[in-house]
Amino acid sequence: KNEVEQSPQNLTAQEGEFITINCSYSVGISALHWLQQHPGGGIVSLFMLSSGKKKHGRLIATINIQEKHSSLHITASHPRDSAVYICAVLSGGGADGLTFGKGTHLIIQP
Amino acid sequence: NAGVTQTPKFRVLKTGQSMTLLCAQDMNHEYMYWYRQDPGMGLRLIHYSVGEGTTAKGEVPDGYNVSRLKKQNFLLGLESAAPSQTSVYFCASSWVSGRSGEQYFGPGTRLTVT
Repeated sequence: KNEVEQSPQNLTAQEGEFITINCSYSVGISALHWLQQHPGGGIVSLFMLSSGKKKHGRLIATINIQEKHSSLHITASHPRDSAVYICAVLSGGGADGLTFGKGTHLIIQP
Repeated sequence: NAGVTQTPKFRVLKTGQSMTLLCAQDMNHEYMYWYRQDPGMGLRLIHYSVGEGTTAKGEVPDGYNVSRLKKQNFLLGLESAAPSQTSVYFCASSWVSGRSGEQYFGPGTRLTVT
């Protein structure tokens, strides 16, 4: 079973700061997902990665397959970025569901 | 498009009662999933389906049953609810497998078993 660890668990920052959230996993994967869970509970998919880097607006996600590590960056952070960010991985072996990290609770203060 | 919807949004059950949670998607997705989310833990996969008429067990399937009689619907059943099943339940769907497709999540169902 893949173990997914996220750091930090909690992060409070000031508006405008550059944010980095890290995710590491224990077993080789075929895909990694970054998700955002809003304070109201809804979950939105941000990125799906299998290699390299993806960018969407102020969000950047990178993955290093050899090191079994991914990062999610937020540039020019804003209070509306406050949410829980969740890393999830898909391992090989046939089962198709994701294995999730516990999430990083991000608060951006104005 | 409504995306992924879940019914009901909230429910309180007594121990031993049964209920069915309904997940519906209007995106013609092949893959559907049921997860549960508990405080201090990541989301965990209960059951999933790779197409109409198929189901498979996930990480925590005990105490739950599922059915996928129609492509757009994925039902999660609790035959005899237990307090340990108090949780928030999320349904998700994707066009292709998790290897190459993002998952779309429903709004969640908050279930309390007393």
